[in-house]
Amino acid sequence: DAGITQSPRHKVTETGTPVTLRCHQTENHRYMYWYRQDPGHGLRLIHYSYGVKDTDKGEVSDGYSVSRSKTEDFLLTLESATSSQTSVYFCAISESGQGNSPLHFGNGTRLTVT
Amino acid sequence: AQTVTQSQPEMSVQEAETVTLSCTYDTSENNYYLFWYKQPPSRQMILVIRQEAYKQQNATENRFSVNFQKAAKSFSLKISDSQLGDTAMYFCAFMASNDYKLSFGAGTTVTVRA
Repeated sequence: DAGITQSPRHKVTETGTPVTLRCHQTENHRYMYWYRQDPGHGLRLIHYSYGVKDTDKGEVSDGYSVSRSKTEDFLLTLESATSSQTSVYFCAISESGQGNSPLHFGNGTRLTVT
Repeated sequence: AQTVTQSQPEMSVQEAETVTLSCTYDTSENNYYLFWYKQPPSRQMILVIRQEAYKQQNATENRFSVNFQKAAKSFSLKISDSQLGDTAMYFCAFMASNDYKLSFGAGTTVTVRA
């Protein structure tokens, strides 16, 4: 398995509270991604990073922010969680971000917003 | 934005039989990569197979093979000699060569019956 650790594995939180999910990699890959998985939608890209302090938005970025202060860590923050953000969140990494360097995924974080 | 469509939400197959999953995509790009990922009940995302659009030869990985029809924008996955461990959700995904983002279809749940 690619060295990707997501924490926490599960989290239940209340509407309106801030939440931070962490992705840690030991592969020294340049590209890191946050996706959310919802039934009927597959995986949708929230944000991605192409280097330390270099990030960009994906297709469902509203309500989320990210930070990458070190190569190995990519944080996803929900500033004020809403029930629509109940989902499974996946972190992924890629050495080059190109198709010849496929994405490898962490084991996901199940977030429930009550 | 690229669109990936998987028209079969669920499929069932007898052990040792063959099943084919369909995937179509919409793009104006000429160079791109296509992928199939497997997600078993453990939630882990596992890369099954990858196809480069400029290669005419269909990719094969053991019991998994694809039928890539570039003109039709079709990318089906065939699972031969199905095994119980093949029970999973399968996602088709697309990445343009000049992009760093992976776009997913909604997924097909495959159940292998003993």
